[in-house]
Amino acid sequence: DGGITQSPKYLFRKEGQNVTLSCEQNLNHDAMYWYRQDPGQGLRLIYYSQIVNDFQKGDIAEGYSVSREKKESFPLTVTSAQKNPTAFYLCASSMRTGLGYEQYFGPGTRLTVT
Amino acid sequence: GQQLNQSPQSMFIQEGEDVSMNCTSSSIFNTWLWYKQDPGEGPVLLIALYKAGELTSNGRLTAQFGITRKDSFLNISASIPSDVGIYFCAGQGGDAGNMLTFGGGTRLMVKP
Repeated sequence: DGGITQSPKYLFRKEGQNVTLSCEQNLNHDAMYWYRQDPGQGLRLIYYSQIVNDFQKGDIAEGYSVSREKKESFPLTVTSAQKNPTAFYLCASSMRTGLGYEQYFGPGTRLTVT
Repeated sequence: GQQLNQSPQSMFIQEGEDVSMNCTSSSIFNTWLWYKQDPGEGPVLLIALYKAGELTSNGRLTAQFGITRKDSFLNISASIPSDVGIYFCAGQGGDAGNMLTFGGGTRLMVKP
């Protein structure tokens, strides 16, 4: 069945290590997004990609990097330069419907850095 | 980035009660979306609104796109325990471009 998958569900890393979060979608959506959510907070946009081989910085891109080599995949790397990487990371994808854009989310990856 | 003002921030209600929450913005939007997030999960799209004044229902949920295009509300009728979660509004298009702008969320707690 169609959807967005993120793996792993929980990820633990030591401070100073880079870590890559996976996001895959089989919805044939053109656009994909990465958000960060901190406890009790809303969603903040990290990066987005509207087409393969192209991506744009969101509101909080510092310390993160992405790639979009395939339509289905949009991995996010949390680098050691990110000052406070512990958070819940959400991937989303969207396509234009006849009326507008609807964005759908994956189940999320909780990253803990110690 | 800009923010949507979502209220209330939290609600603690009795099972069977109706619930109302809203979002307001200083910018206009072309689309309003309402999501529900369960603990530790990704948000799930509940209702999408595309036209000013539009009123749309999804089961016990009803949402409206404000006539000024700067606000939206979500009502839940006859709440049940599984309605517990965080509800987010999001606006897209208009002054904000194609990205979604999210409200801060309304945390709903239902007492059986």
